[in-house]
Amino acid sequence: GQQVMQIPQYQHVQEGEDFTTYCNSSTTLSNIQWYKQRPGGHPVFLIQLVKSGEVKKQKRLTFQFGEAKKNSSLHITATQTTDVGTYFCAGPTGNTPLVFGKGTRLSVIA
Amino acid sequence: DAMVIQNPRYQVTQFGKPVTLSCSQTLNHNVMYWYQQKSSQAPKLLFHYYDKDFNNEADTPDNFQSRRPNTSFCFLDIRSPGLGDAAMYLCATSRTGRLNTEAFFGQGTRLTVV
Repeated sequence: GQQVMQIPQYQHVQEGEDFTTYCNSSTTLSNIQWYKQRPGGHPVFLIQLVKSGEVKKQKRLTFQFGEAKKNSSLHITATQTTDVGTYFCAGPTGNTPLVFGKGTRLSVIA
Repeated sequence: DAMVIQNPRYQVTQFGKPVTLSCSQTLNHNVMYWYQQKSSQAPKLLFHYYDKDFNNEADTPDNFQSRRPNTSFCFLDIRSPGLGDAAMYLCATSRTGRLNTEAFFGQGTRLTVV
């Protein structure tokens, strides 16, 4: 079935380094959402992108939606230990309103 | 103020003994979801409701059932839990539409099968 693919699976960075995770779909998405899940926690909504080529920023986080609305990225500038967690993209696929990518687990070494 | 509440937070059940997990919401959202999340994996959608319209994912085992008696409440019934059903079960809600469809998650119920 339709899937939302996400890479990399893991990322280890030194504190202060940048981090990027990528999400790809085989079909056009009406929107894409990003969530963060801290260890032991539940997914928490970060942002939703709807428009082709859309770019949104939240402090050190930059989210992009591709022109074809098939890919998206999340970039964190100058990571901090508080950024640790798993970042998921999620979007509607077929008749399913919200399917999650496999996630990227971010570790930040102080 | 919790908006999506799952009870209990931790549930231990015996192999083969039916168990019910509950979820309630104060957001008046029309969409409710049940996800299963195993360790180091992504949440996997089991079912979702648009209002009372039930939608079952094709690969959700028959062992899993759900009920939504009203807008606020949703239940996940596992008829005969196996060891492989041990996981975190997450309930979430959202509104339909193209915009502002973010999902709000409960804190989850961690199910242990012994």
